[in-house]
Amino acid sequence: AQTVTQSQPEMSVQEAETVTLSCTYDTSENNYYLFWYKQPPSRQMILVIRQEAYKQQNATENRFSVNFQKAAKSFSLKISDSQLGDTAMYFCAFMKGELTFGQGTILTVHP
Amino acid sequence: SAVISQKPSRDICQRGTSLTIQCQVDSQVTMMFWYRQQPGQSLTLIATANQGSEATYESGFVIDKFPISRPNLTFSTLTVSNMSPEDSSIYLCSVVGTNSYNEQFFGPGTRLTVL
Repeated sequence: AQTVTQSQPEMSVQEAETVTLSCTYDTSENNYYLFWYKQPPSRQMILVIRQEAYKQQNATENRFSVNFQKAAKSFSLKISDSQLGDTAMYFCAFMKGELTFGQGTILTVHP
Repeated sequence: SAVISQKPSRDICQRGTSLTIQCQVDSQVTMMFWYRQQPGQSLTLIATANQGSEATYESGFVIDKFPISRPNLTFSTLTVSNMSPEDSSIYLCSVVGTNSYNEQFFGPGTRLTVL
């Protein structure tokens, strides 16, 4: 079974600064997908970014980018130029068949 | 991406009663799932809703407690039966998109409080 670990229960950052959220996972699979989801207080789960394990290039989506280290089984999310609307709970997720979520990291962006 | 709606958005129920949550998708999808998210926690998969056959339940979840229907490729219901305060959670429906990335899209969730 796969496990996903987010070691930071809470993080905070000043508006316009950069923050990195950590995620590690454990699997014996070689091909899989990794995702970061955002859940604001409205509780709507929003897909932020995805990464295919067979791709070495790190995914980028506007202000969001990942650092994917397959050998280390690490998948961190970097948010640049943080905005107040980035305040949310962020979940790292692994997918091979079914989706497995990490425990989540609460990110607060301060003005 | 798929547009997913859920009804009701929230409800407060008495223990011992049942609540049925509806999930409607704006397009036909093969895979539909039901998750539970307890307060401040991560998401836990309850079951995969299969069209035309019985749902596939994860360990710790049983059909008698969480009966699921999937009459077609755009609709599913989850019933929380004989509720207790421990069932107070957010229940989310999700579907797999039709692109090649196996992305899952989520409904807005149903916040259930059991008194």
